Amino acid sequence: DIQMTQSPSSLSASVGDRVTITCQASQDISNYLNWYQQKPGKAPKLLIYDASNLETGVPSRFSGSGSGTDFTFTISSLQPEDIATYYCQQYDNLPAFGGGTKVEIK
Amino acid sequence: EVQLVESGGGLVKPGGSLRLSCAASGFTFSYAWMSWVRQAPGKGLEWVGRIKSKTDGGTTDYAAPVKGRFTISRDDSKNTLYLQMNSLKTEDTAVYYCTTEYSSSWYEYFQNWGQGTLVTVSS
Repeated sequence: DIQMTQSPSSLSASVGDRVTITCQASQDISNYLNWYQQKPGKAPKLLIYDASNLETGVPSRFSGSGSGTDFTFTISSLQPEDIATYYCQQYDNLPAFGGGTKVEIK
Repeated sequence: EVQLVESGGGLVKPGGSLRLSCAASGFTFSYAWMSWVRQAPGKGLEWVGRIKSKTDGGTTDYAAPVKGRFTISRDDSKNTLYLQMNSLKTEDTAVYYCTTEYSSSWYEYFQNWGQGTLVTVSS
């Protein structure tokens, strides 16, 4: 099974800061990686698919990059409404999620 | 508008069984791949399993922790997805989400999600 390791598990940043989350796969998954946002008490929401494609309607401050085993998710300017937990998910084999990164406002 | 509404959650004893349902509307259910994703209290997301559309073979795949205990099925005439859970363990306690799984030659992702239904396994 492919394991997905996300880091950090949590972070605290100020409004306007650039926030970066990394996701590492245990083997090469090409660009078969998605990113989701989950706000407390809500279902997850797709933000980025295929490593770097922005889902329709998602603000452009969100972006993704990477391929192979190392991936990065970036919020270019953190907004108060971005408080959430973010998950990566691979689909090279059976789907699997990373452990999540909780983003808080400092 | 796509709607997915899960039902059937509740309290069940270890070793017991439960069947979850997911009523779908707003899209052509028979063409959709459908998945179940769960989230234990305070924990992360865990994919449970999927069922492909009948046009893609209607086959199922399961995550290792539930394989042999859980069964996913669908009734396209009722636009409903099911998750039959047997031999339940305390570690199956979670909110269970129904999702549409978009799949093409290039991409796969979980596109639409229900609100979830809570399953609690406890004596």
